[in-house]
Amino acid sequence: DVKVTQSSRYLVKRTGEKVFLECVQDMDHENMFWYRQDPGLGLRLIYFSYDVKMKEKGDIPEGYSVSREKKERFSLILESASTNQTSMYLCASLGGVAGNQPQHFGDGTRLSIL
Amino acid sequence: GNSVTQMEGPVTLSEEAFLTINCTYTATGYPSLFWYVQYPGEGLQLLLKATKADDKGSNKGFEATYRKETTSFHLEKGSVQVSDSAVYFCALPSTGRRALTFGSGTRLQVQP
Repeated sequence: DVKVTQSSRYLVKRTGEKVFLECVQDMDHENMFWYRQDPGLGLRLIYFSYDVKMKEKGDIPEGYSVSREKKERFSLILESASTNQTSMYLCASLGGVAGNQPQHFGDGTRLSIL
Repeated sequence: GNSVTQMEGPVTLSEEAFLTINCTYTATGYPSLFWYVQYPGEGLQLLLKATKADDKGSNKGFEATYRKETTSFHLEKGSVQVSDSAVYFCALPSTGRRALTFGSGTRLQVQP
């Protein structure tokens, strides 16, 4: 079974802090994703990466950056946290390029910015 | 680009009731379609999928049929249980990239 592990289930930070959310997958998947989940909005794509050191912006990249130095690890960075970034953050991975393959998700990090 | 619309919730049912959660999509061609489920406090997990028109995906008593005529992929279950209480998401591949586009999610609450 694919396992996607997010480093924290709950995180509380202060406005202006630099925040790191970590995600690790154990299936040698090429593709990794960061989504943000908010009530009534579903999941929205922040960034994704299809290879080491490669990244592409999703639909809502403003205020975020990412890092993929190793294939198994994909980090989301909030450069200067703001209260409107309080949300649930979900990491996912995907093997291959075929559109009929499912993504595998971590359990999420619920982030509160005070 | 590809998009998906699903019915708003919450949907509240009694145990053993019949469930339908509507999902319609807009897409170029015939992409794979997915239903994901999110149980309380957890991430999303794949519930079922269909890869081509007229395919029926099924898992844990849930079913969904890929209908190209109506561009729909409605989720059904004949008899829900309290343990089915969760948020359900319809999804399809995003246009031009290896991500998924999700519906807004439908919360299901099953009462004993």
